[in-house]
Amino acid sequence: GENVEQHPSTLSVQEGDSAVIKCTYSDSASNYFPWYKQELGKRPQLIIDIRSNVGEKKDQRIAVTLNKTAKHFSLHITETQPEDSAVYFCAASLRKSSGDKLTFGTGTRLAVRP
Amino acid sequence: GAGVSQSPRYKVAKRGQDVALRCDPISGHVSLFWYQQALGQGPEFLTYFQNEAQLDKSGLPSDRFFAERPEGSVSTLKIQRTQQEDSAVYLCASSSWGVSTDTQYFGPGTRLTVL
Repeated sequence: GENVEQHPSTLSVQEGDSAVIKCTYSDSASNYFPWYKQELGKRPQLIIDIRSNVGEKKDQRIAVTLNKTAKHFSLHITETQPEDSAVYFCAASLRKSSGDKLTFGTGTRLAVRP
Repeated sequence: GAGVSQSPRYKVAKRGQDVALRCDPISGHVSLFWYQQALGQGPEFLTYFQNEAQLDKSGLPSDRFFAERPEGSVSTLKIQRTQQEDSAVYLCASSSWGVSTDTQYFGPGTRLTVL
């Protein structure tokens, strides 16, 4: 089955700097890659996603890049703000007749220092 | 509209007790997923429903875990004879069913503590 690895596990940046989180996946057939933000005690919330027919997607300060050949994808947050502090999870999925379950990475705890 | 809701939000059980966790998906969503999230870890897939059909239960850790969605809307995850290792947050997610993989919207989770 699919295996997703995520790095780093913790990341501390100064407010205004950029943050980059990287993930690799094992199943070359995976074709959907969402990123979720989870604040302490809250539900995971989708912040951006990318499909395998696209190499890059941007939404304001957040961007995601996908390299299908290398089987890795990355989250980029620019001009970080204290409210960006949270745990971020990458995930990978493949549509099957039995459903399209998400396989998650282990998470990155981002701390933005004011 | 209303998002995914789950109840109870917190559940404390003594080892050996049975528990039932409820998920109310977004209205009209065909797909429903259950995930287990251990402390400090990412969610891990448990089981998947498409309407009332349970199409994938490969992630259920033991035969003590049972899920149902009899009318294709509300779902219940039942854990029999709870063990300490069952302590985790149980997340429910729902999505619509289109031509490609759809966004999964998560509920707030039920935090289960087994003493």
